Amino acid sequence: RKEVEQDPGPFNVPEGATVAFNCTYSNSASQSFFWYRQDCRKEPKLLMSVYSSGNEDGRFTAQLNRASQYISLLIRDSKLSDSATYLCVVLNFNKFYFGSGTKLNVKP
Amino acid sequence: SAVISQKPSRDICQRGTSLTIQCQVDSQVTMMFWYRQQPGQSLTLIATANQGSEATYESGFVIDKFPISRPNLTFSTLTVSNMSPEDSSIYLCSVLRGEYGTGELFFGEGSRLTVL
Repeated sequence: RKEVEQDPGPFNVPEGATVAFNCTYSNSASQSFFWYRQDCRKEPKLLMSVYSSGNEDGRFTAQLNRASQYISLLIRDSKLSDSATYLCVVLNFNKFYFGSGTKLNVKP
Repeated sequence: SAVISQKPSRDICQRGTSLTIQCQVDSQVTMMFWYRQQPGQSLTLIATANQGSEATYESGFVIDKFPISRPNLTFSTLTVSNMSPEDSSIYLCSVLRGEYGTGELFFGEGSRLTVL
């Protein structure tokens, strides 16, 4: 079983839509959780860390459910510039594990 | 964040040759890593570059194929040896900022390697 699993998508949504991605992780002892964004032919960049209490940064909300071992990312009022691949990342025993990424296409 | 410079940014190489990728960080970091991202795939950790000692390799990666140097806390190199077309990939240097266990990873821009 993979350490981190994501729906690869693509998610094709119109501008202004709300879209949610989920990610599951296999190791209940995992310590920290992140969402990274990767644009085509670019390196991954940290979007936000995910805390147990949930956290919000503008249009982006991340939540962690330790009991069910999943992480979510909600994007409200989607912009064309949000089109990218979103990577779920889990820190487990001092190693970072990357999901395969969920591709988002926001269309006009 | 961290400023991480990698070079070359891209290269096209012949089968059987070797290529060394350099990674320079703008400040001292304890933890540096090398990742590979094959086309359409996610990131796979190759090894942790340890300053002053041999790198720690992940399962499926060996020192003879991917020798790594880490002479100081701001610089590392990854060599892809005796290349084959299967080595065509993006190689990414990354550093950890913050405490291990709670810190965040930052990446260089990557080195896109094509092996003919």
